Amino acid sequence: GAGVSQSPSNKVTEKGKDVELRCDPISGHTALYWYRQRLGQGLEFLIYFQGNSAPDKSGLPSDRFSAERTGESVSTLTIQRTQQEDSAVYLCASSVTGFGYEQYFGPGTRLTVT
Amino acid sequence: RKEVEQDPGPFNVPEGATVAFNCTYSNSASQSFFWYRQDCRKEPKLLMSVYSSGNEDGRFTAQLNRASQYISLLIRDSKLSDSATYLCVVNKRGGYSTLTFGKGTMLLVSP
Repeated sequence: GAGVSQSPSNKVTEKGKDVELRCDPISGHTALYWYRQRLGQGLEFLIYFQGNSAPDKSGLPSDRFSAERTGESVSTLTIQRTQQEDSAVYLCASSVTGFGYEQYFGPGTRLTVT
Repeated sequence: RKEVEQDPGPFNVPEGATVAFNCTYSNSASQSFFWYRQDCRKEPKLLMSVYSSGNEDGRFTAQLNRASQYISLLIRDSKLSDSATYLCVVNKRGGYSTLTFGKGTMLLVSP
């Protein structure tokens, strides 16, 4: 079956520009997560959606970061006024529910801010 | 104490060796535990869940010690293809919660 997909796979942008990253979760998965991984570092939790509940935004590093999800489908992560420190791989994952179930990751979007 | 703590390694072992990793977690109410592997410049992939009674999948054995709050992963007969970073994953709080990922232990298997 289809796994988690993300687009674009690579994005190079100039400092100060806005970017939008997309995630398509596994069909039927109610929980969706965004993570950031800087080169050589661990996963950094950003935001979590569970069904129609209010998202857990506790990991967003600044108000330049926002994310939306329509129902239990596609999610977009938006970074406004990008900075060089935003350069990282942005990973999306989904799981059956958020009750501690295993997560399945997409291939990530590699963002480079020049 | 960090929520999830792992020795970053690297662990350098020859092919055929047995290697073990431990991971400690801070929340005694945690209920879900997993090992993921992450290859260089790839996304993490689920290796195995960790059950209270311990579980085995081929050359891989996972154990949970609730009293001491650690989980372990044992790899027998290491292959070159086992070279990767192994992530310990624990649910952040009991029940309804997200998962917390450790920073990983790097394993390098050499010929």
